[in-house]
Parts: sequence; structure tokens; C-alpha cells
Amino acid sequence: DIQMTQSPSTLSASVGDRVTITCRASQSISSWLAWYQQKPGKAPKLLIYKASSLESGVPSRFSGSGSGTEFTLTISSLQPDDFATYYCQQYNSYSPFTFGGGTKVEIK
Amino acid sequence: EVQLVESGGGLVQPGGSLRLSCAASGFTFSSYAMSWVRQAPGKGLEWVSAISGSGGSTYYADSVKGRFTISRDNSKNTLYLQMNSLRAEDTAVYYCAKCSRAVPAAKAFFDYWGQGTLVTVSS
Repeated sequence: DIQMTQSPSTLSASVGDRVTITCRASQSISSWLAWYQQKPGKAPKLLIYKASSLESGVPSRFSGSGSGTEFTLTISSLQPDDFATYYCQQYNSYSPFTFGGGTKVEIK
Repeated sequence: EVQLVESGGGLVQPGGSLRLSCAASGFTFSSYAMSWVRQAPGKGLEWVSAISGSGGSTYYADSVKGRFTISRDNSKNTLYLQMNSLRAEDTAVYYCAKCSRAVPAAKAFFDYWGQGTLVTVSS
């Protein structure tokens, strides 16, 4: 199985900060990586697919990069609505699909 | 507008069974693979199972293989998860998720999610 490791697990930041979350795959997944945002008590929401493609309707302050085994999600200027938990997920291998452990973005 | 509405969760004793349903609307249901993803209280996301758009191919996580069965009724636009031999570690919110393609093996991600249904396994 492909293991996905996110860092940090928790991040404290202020409104307006530039935030970067890292996701590492245990083997190459090319660009088959998605990022999701989840708020407490809500379903995950797709932000980014194929490592850097922005889902329709997602603000342009979100961006993704990377390929192979190293990926990043960047929020260029953190907004109040962005405080949430973020998950990466590989879909190079469909059995099983695997998620990272999550990164909680908290208010500093 | 894509909508996914799960139902069927509840409290069940260890060793018991439960069937979850997910009613889909707003897209051509049979053209897309579907999946179940769960989240234990306070924990991260865990993929459980997936099924192709035709229903002809199914996939399971090792943790549920042999106990859970995924199925779909394309005439009713509904996805199912039959859960047998339930264990305490199966306690979680179960989300239904639409895949971006007809076949999970074709590099499909999850583009829409339902709100989830809580399954609690406890005596």
C-alpha cells in the first residue's frame, strides 16, 4: 500500500499569513494527488486534483504543486474561512486509495 | 446540483449488521464510480470500498474485506453498503463519495461527498 505522510499535523497561523502544507508519498504517484478541506462536523470538500488543478469554485489563493513523492498545498493569504483540517489523498493506486493523516490549521 | 444523501446509520451491537444507503441526484449516476469513506471519531479519513459505474467491479480495504459488501442500483440512483460482523473499530461517520470517473482504476478522485451517517458499534 502507498503511505501518505502530511506535515505538520497542526499549524497555527494568522489571517493574511502564507501557509504551506506538505504531503509525502511512500512511492511515486506521478501527479495523482488530491487535496481536501474539512470543517468540523462537515464533509470533506475537494480543493485540488492532479496535484495542481484547482477545482471549480475554489478561491485562487489555494494552489498545489509537486510530483512523484513530494507535494505541497499553499494558501497565499489565509482567510477566516480557511481554518479547517486539510487532507491529501493519492489516487495512483485505487486499492487502496490512501489519505494523509491531516493538517489542522488553527488560529494563532 | 450534485446531491448525495446517506441514511441507515445507527447503534448496533458487536457482531451485528447494518445497511447504509446513499441517494444520488444531479448527475448521470451510472456513468460514475462511487465510494464509501469513513472517519472514526476524532480521526482521519479512511477509504472503505468502491464500485464501478456499471457495478461490475468492486474494491475493498483490507480492514473490511469479507465483512462489507458494496452495491448499487442504477435504476434507483442509489449506492449501498451492507456491513456484517460489525466491530467496535467500525464506529465512524460513513461518507458516500462520487468518483470523478466511471472506473476507480482510471485515476479517479472524489469530487463530491455526502454529509455522512454515523455508525456506532457498541453493546
